[in-house]
Amino acid sequence: NAGVMQNPRHLVRRRGQEARLRCSPMKGHSHVYWYRQLPEEGLKFMVYLQKENIIDESGMPKERFSAEFPKEGPSILRIQQVVRGDSAAYFCASSDQGDGGYTFGSGTRLTVV
Amino acid sequence: KNEVEQSPQNLTAQEGEFITINCSYSVGISALHWLQQHPGGGIVSLFMLSSGKKKHGRLIATINIQEKHSSLHITASHPRDSAVYICASNAGGTSYGKLTFGQGTILTVHP
Repeated sequence: NAGVMQNPRHLVRRRGQEARLRCSPMKGHSHVYWYRQLPEEGLKFMVYLQKENIIDESGMPKERFSAEFPKEGPSILRIQQVVRGDSAAYFCASSDQGDGGYTFGSGTRLTVV
Repeated sequence: KNEVEQSPQNLTAQEGEFITINCSYSVGISALHWLQQHPGGGIVSLFMLSSGKKKHGRLIATINIQEKHSSLHITASHPRDSAVYICASNAGGTSYGKLTFGQGTILTVHP
């Protein structure tokens, strides 16, 4: 039973390009969370999704960022027109219940050049 | 607004020492989490607790709900315990993973 799989592990994008980060939750988990860890800062909640629904996106920047968790396939965090300030580690976690224990992925390190 | 504070920010120990990391939070919570992160690595969930004490191997986590305080203890520390330890709480009134994280404690254990 594989854990939470995130890919790619490392992603380099030029300013203005789009970044797509993928997260496959643990088998049987239908709750996905995305967090961002900026350099020299702590982790911050971004968005909480269940299959096909965004439950709480209060931590996500209003512009350029979007997230989805389709009925089939991984959850996607999409960042359009990336800027240097988007460089960070992005982690996702999943759980089988909203208030259950969380399993984290290994993260995607995004570098914007 | 929930604030989570950890202390110390940096901790250096010799192999075999007993280690304590502290975490305080400002509002009522539904659960407190302890996480471990190795440099450049992923995040491992160590404990989720809402009361009392939990133990796993050499790791012990306690929580005092009245004092809004939790501690993570490592007995007989080992160099492989070197990592960043992060506490996190569910935002007040929220039971799902909208976690508020502390800044982390960087632990270095020397042989």
